[in-house]
Amino acid sequence: SQKIEQNSEALNIQEGKTATLTCNYTNYSPAYLQWYRQDPGRGPVFLLLIRENEKEKRKERLKVTFDTTLKQSLFHITASQPADSATYLCALSPSSGYSTLTFGKGTMLLVSP
Amino acid sequence: GAVVSQHPSRVICKSGTSVKIECRSLDFQATTMFWYRQFPKKSLMLMATSNEGSKATYEQGVEKDKFLINHASLTLSTLTVTSAHPEDSSFYICSAAKGAGEQFFGPGTRLTVL
Repeated sequence: SQKIEQNSEALNIQEGKTATLTCNYTNYSPAYLQWYRQDPGRGPVFLLLIRENEKEKRKERLKVTFDTTLKQSLFHITASQPADSATYLCALSPSSGYSTLTFGKGTMLLVSP
Repeated sequence: GAVVSQHPSRVICKSGTSVKIECRSLDFQATTMFWYRQFPKKSLMLMATSNEGSKATYEQGVEKDKFLINHASLTLSTLTVTSAHPEDSSFYICSAAKGAGEQFFGPGTRLTVL
């Protein structure tokens, strides 16, 4: 069965450092991989989308990589700030359906001042 | 742009009653709208996909008679939880898609059934 795995334990880092979150998947051939931010009691907010034929994408302090051979995506936040503290969700869209998303459980990031 | 609203943000109801949740795309027309449910510390689980003017497609294990979805226009979808029970208590989130891939999520509705 399809499986998306994200680190279940919270990631604690110091302000100013780079946070790296991992998303691994099995039994899946996604056309798109997306990262979302979710704050407690709120809906997810879209951050970045990367296509299967793209290796890397950047947006301001965010960088996403997509390795379809390893079936893994890495999500980096450089120069992290306490305001970056949230849960980050990885979501995959299948090749056959362009909008249907399957989410991972998310990884909580805590950035300490 | 790409703002999605949900109403109400929080609702408490008695067991056996029905609750309607609205999802609106405020500044764009959504080709497709989605309804998710999220339990504490769990991932978002897709419940159903709906396109304007057609019947919703429900995910396996989701009762279509219990979770009624009406997609009346390109900017409005409603989810009605019929005869709600305490196990239906959850965080319900809708999203709207403009096109390929990207979805825009509403702020969610916290449903508590007593």
